[in-house]
Amino acid sequence: SAVISQKPSRDICQRGTSLTIQCQVDSQVTMMFWYRQQPGQSLTLIATANQGSEATYESGFVIDKFPISRPNLTFSTLTVSNMSPEDSSIYLCSVLWGGNTEAFFGQGTRLTVV
Amino acid sequence: SQQGEEDPQALSIQEGENATMNCSYKTSINNLQWYRQNSGRGLVHLILIRSNEREKHSGRLRVTLDTSKKSSSLLITASRAADTASYFCATEAGNTPLVFGKGTRLSVIA
Repeated sequence: SAVISQKPSRDICQRGTSLTIQCQVDSQVTMMFWYRQQPGQSLTLIATANQGSEATYESGFVIDKFPISRPNLTFSTLTVSNMSPEDSSIYLCSVLWGGNTEAFFGQGTRLTVV
Repeated sequence: SQQGEEDPQALSIQEGENATMNCSYKTSINNLQWYRQNSGRGLVHLILIRSNEREKHSGRLRVTLDTSKKSSSLLITASRAADTASYFCATEAGNTPLVFGKGTRLSVIA
């Protein structure tokens, strides 16, 4: 299994500012994903973080708002830019490891924008 | 985009009772997975059932899959207060990210 460290675990931010969330995995993984979970809702995929190239964004999510980096096979960051209260959500990183289709998740970042 | 629809959205039962949650999906899949989430934290994988399987067991969990109806059910037997969580189904359709359902919030009352 893969162990994922995600930080910060929570933050309260002012509108208009940006927050960068980090996801560190204890082993090399081929696929890393970023999800958003709005209050009381399910998980919505933001993007697939590709190592060495631009992330692949899902419909409704754009790079200017959610820039993603993935410099290597164990680390990725998601930035939530120019935040508004509507960005208040839990953000989760997830990986597929070892050819499995079982996903492993970080503990999530609970973001509140005021 | 979301594919799965779980029902019920919320379920409250007494400790010791069985809990059944259902999931429906729309497209062909390779497998269907169930996850558990405690209090808005990270998700934990519970069980995976492949498209050519009809039933699978893991401890107190029993999962069924009906590909003709595009539906699955998760049964938790002899529930405990510690089973209180949200449960999500997720479908995998081949080289694509998992697509999650809306989830069922289970409350087990001691």
